[in-house]
Amino acid sequence: GAGVSQSPSNKVTEKGKDVELRCDPISGHTALYWYRQSLGQGLEFLIYFQGNSAPDKSGLPSDRFSAERTGGSVSTLTIQRTQQEDSAVYLCASSPGTSGALGEQFFGPGTRLTVL
Amino acid sequence: DAKTTQPTSMDCAEGRAANLPCNHSTISGNEYVYWYRQIHSQGPQYIIHGLKNNETNEMASLIITEDRKSSTLILPHATLRDTAVYYCIVRVPRGSSNTGKLIFGQGTTLQVKP
Repeated sequence: GAGVSQSPSNKVTEKGKDVELRCDPISGHTALYWYRQSLGQGLEFLIYFQGNSAPDKSGLPSDRFSAERTGGSVSTLTIQRTQQEDSAVYLCASSPGTSGALGEQFFGPGTRLTVL
Repeated sequence: DAKTTQPTSMDCAEGRAANLPCNHSTISGNEYVYWYRQIHSQGPQYIIHGLKNNETNEMASLIITEDRKSSTLILPHATLRDTAVYYCIVRVPRGSSNTGKLIFGQGTTLQVKP
């Protein structure tokens, strides 16, 4: 089966514009994570979805960032009024199983966002 | 912040075993040790995890000390394709109050040389 896919692979935008990044997790995976990787900060957690539970948004850096997961599958990360410091690779990961799971996280290839 | 410390970089000769150390002296009883790696321009890839016993799979072996304060990832016969950044992570199982999120440190850049 297919792995985690993300689109677009690259996105260049102007400062102040809104962007949407998409993640298609592995079918049947109940957990979905967003991370970002930037030169100065390394890999950092952003948000977590598990089934129909309220997402854990504790890693979102500002209220310009939001994410949703429709129907327990596809997820969209939205960044409003982008700033240059938002430039990074945004990674999505999905994981099988339910509470108590030790399952590995399967990562997508990422979306490279460049804010000019 | 990451609860692990790793050397910044290591070299290994192709065909030889690569031994990557990790210190996690503040690990809790319910935290597992995970290893991921990230090859250039790709997303991180799971390698192996363990709690207190040594573990082996088709990719690597994980040796955890008896006091669980450190561990070593062993790639038995390193190839050029194993050149990557290797991350050691401690993590609790996903549950009602735990997301199971991964907290990445800086990792070890392993360079396998011909």
